[in-house]
Amino acid sequence: GAGVSQSPSNKVTEKGKDVELRCDPISGHTALYWYRQSLGQGLEFLIYFQGNSAPDKSGLPSDRFSAERTGGSVSTLTIQRTQQEDSAVYLCASSPATSGGKAGELFFGEGSRLTVL
Amino acid sequence: TQLLEQSPQFLSIQEGENLTVYCNSSSVFSSLQWYRQEPGEGPVLLVTVVTGGEVKKLKRLTFQFGDARKDSSLHITAAQPGDTGLYLCAGSPSGGYNKLIFGAGTRLAVHP
Repeated sequence: GAGVSQSPSNKVTEKGKDVELRCDPISGHTALYWYRQSLGQGLEFLIYFQGNSAPDKSGLPSDRFSAERTGGSVSTLTIQRTQQEDSAVYLCASSPATSGGKAGELFFGEGSRLTVL
Repeated sequence: TQLLEQSPQFLSIQEGENLTVYCNSSSVFSSLQWYRQEPGEGPVLLVTVVTGGEVKKLKRLTFQFGDARKDSSLHITAAQPGDTGLYLCAGSPSGGYNKLIFGAGTRLAVHP
């Protein structure tokens, strides 16, 4: 499909394990975001990739969280030594623009639901 | 500190009623977006407002950007059960590039 693709759609893991979440953005989109959404809540910004610029990591909640974007396309969000409070839906979004009004027009994937037991 | 404050948090109304949802900030935004999210899905963009005082209409939805570009509202006329969902405002504060931040959302339930 032509939309943002995320995998896995659901992940159940044990406390202390590492997890990797993958995002395939829309082809040609230069901007890529990761957000976290806890049950019934709004979106918490995690990290932003903008073309070849250094990513904005200001939203990562701890050093257990990291993300990379290879070749300006696919992105992986890694959570090490998972904790129960990491349980949430992790949403990825991409945008064709990095400035102006269009920069806020994001296309979201359906998210990866993470449950840490 | 929540940069974008949305109100009300929850709204439960009957089909046919009108409603307004608010998005407020002390910061100036170069643009604001409104998204709608349904359970199990990612948010979907409804509209972008750019100019202070701008009004945009999308069928029964009317969006307004405040003159000072610090606030926005979403008005729904004659709400339908299909309008049920989480409404989120989002924006990047002015002054060059900035990450897109979201409000906490307004959860709307429209009952038949």
